[in-house]
Amino acid sequence: EVQLVESGGGLVQPGGSLRLSCAVSGFTFRSYWMNWVRQVPGKGLEWVANIKDDGTDKYYVDSVRGRFTISRDNVQSSLYLQMDSLRVEDTAVYYCASVQRGFPFDYWGQGILVTVSS
Amino acid sequence: DVVMTQSPLSLPVTLGQPASISCRSSQSLLHSHGNTYLSWFQQRPGQSPRRLIYKVSNRDSGVPDRFSGSGSGSDFTLKISRVEAEDVGVYYCMQATHWPWTFGQGTKVEIK
Repeated sequence: EVQLVESGGGLVQPGGSLRLSCAVSGFTFRSYWMNWVRQVPGKGLEWVANIKDDGTDKYYVDSVRGRFTISRDNVQSSLYLQMDSLRVEDTAVYYCASVQRGFPFDYWGQGILVTVSS
Repeated sequence: DVVMTQSPLSLPVTLGQPASISCRSSQSLLHSHGNTYLSWFQQRPGQSPRRLIYKVSNRDSGVPDRFSGSGSGSDFTLKISRVEAEDVGVYYCMQATHWPWTFGQGTKVEIK
């Protein structure tokens, strides 16, 4: 059974930092691109970042580039999102996902809430 | 960024009747190597998103055949041939041809 389990969310003050983790099991983690997607409660979906299977290529949406860093550990089958200089508008549920754009492979975690507030 | 525009944003449907959602992109989604990376996602209430369709018209594993996708270039459609109660939720189109990948605003499907 495939599982993606996020952890590390919570309440943080504006300007603070948080590191999200995603523990993956049930598929060969090192063979697939991984993604972070976020959703403001009650609103739509926003793609945040992608990382290539070997970690060499990374892509970010403009609103987080320079503040967020996606990384992975292919030995531990884990995905990370280091979030620095957090803003109120970063408040959202963050999903860890493995969505391959060209073939049938689509798995999502349950999501974890990050709240940025003073 | 590529803007994805869905219509309608709300779609009340009768059980057993067909439903259709339109998605238009601000630029062509045809990739230079010939693929069109347009996907459709379903998000049921209280659940994580789930992809239904990839590359315009290909169903993901386990997706019922009442869901179908079509289109080309910058104009796409998701059709549900006969709506069932479990189809209630929000549907999003998403393009993965150009970075950043972008979603439409979502279409809320509900039963009349």
